[in-house]
Amino acid sequence: GENVEQHPSTLSVQEGDSAVIKCTYSDSASNYFPWYKQELGKGPQLIIDIRSNVGEKKDQRIAVTLNKTAKHFSLHITETQPEDSAVYFCAARAFGNEKLTFGTGTRLTIIP
Amino acid sequence: DGGITQSPKYLFRKEGQNVTLSCEQNLNHDAMYWYRQDPGQGLRLIYYSQIVNDFQKGDIAEGYSVSREKKESFPLTVTSAQKNPTAFYLCASSAASGGYTFGSGTRLTVV
Repeated sequence: GENVEQHPSTLSVQEGDSAVIKCTYSDSASNYFPWYKQELGKGPQLIIDIRSNVGEKKDQRIAVTLNKTAKHFSLHITETQPEDSAVYFCAARAFGNEKLTFGTGTRLTIIP
Repeated sequence: DGGITQSPKYLFRKEGQNVTLSCEQNLNHDAMYWYRQDPGQGLRLIYYSQIVNDFQKGDIAEGYSVSREKKESFPLTVTSAQKNPTAFYLCASSAASGGYTFGSGTRLTVV
């Protein structure tokens, strides 16, 4: 089955700097890669996703890149703000499979 | 507004009791999922259902049971066989080839 590895597990960034979180996946049939943000005591929320026919996607300060050859994808947050502090999860899903396989999460702390 | 609702937000269970966590969605999603999250940990899949009247075990199904009698509802029962049930429980739903929509969670504590 699919295996998703996520790094780093914790990340501290000065406010205004950029943050990058990386994930690798094992199943070459995976074609959907969402990212979720979970604030303390709440459920995860989808913040951005990318499909395998696209190499990069941006939404304001957030971007995701996908390298299918290397089987890895990354979340980039620019101009970080205190409200970006949260746990971020990556996930992957293969075509024809409803279930997502999640990474282990990254706790991002923005230092004011 | 469409969404997914979990209740209650907090739940306390005595030793040996069964408790049921509610999950309701009005997104018309076919698939629903239950995850367990321990402090500082990731998401572990308990059960999932891709269609009414059908469900499959996830990675940690022992001590839990579910039903899917209606498309909108996927309740989770934590039975007395679950020896360490204290955790944060998350329900999610999805449409075909789409991302998950998560509920706001239920925090279960054994007293």
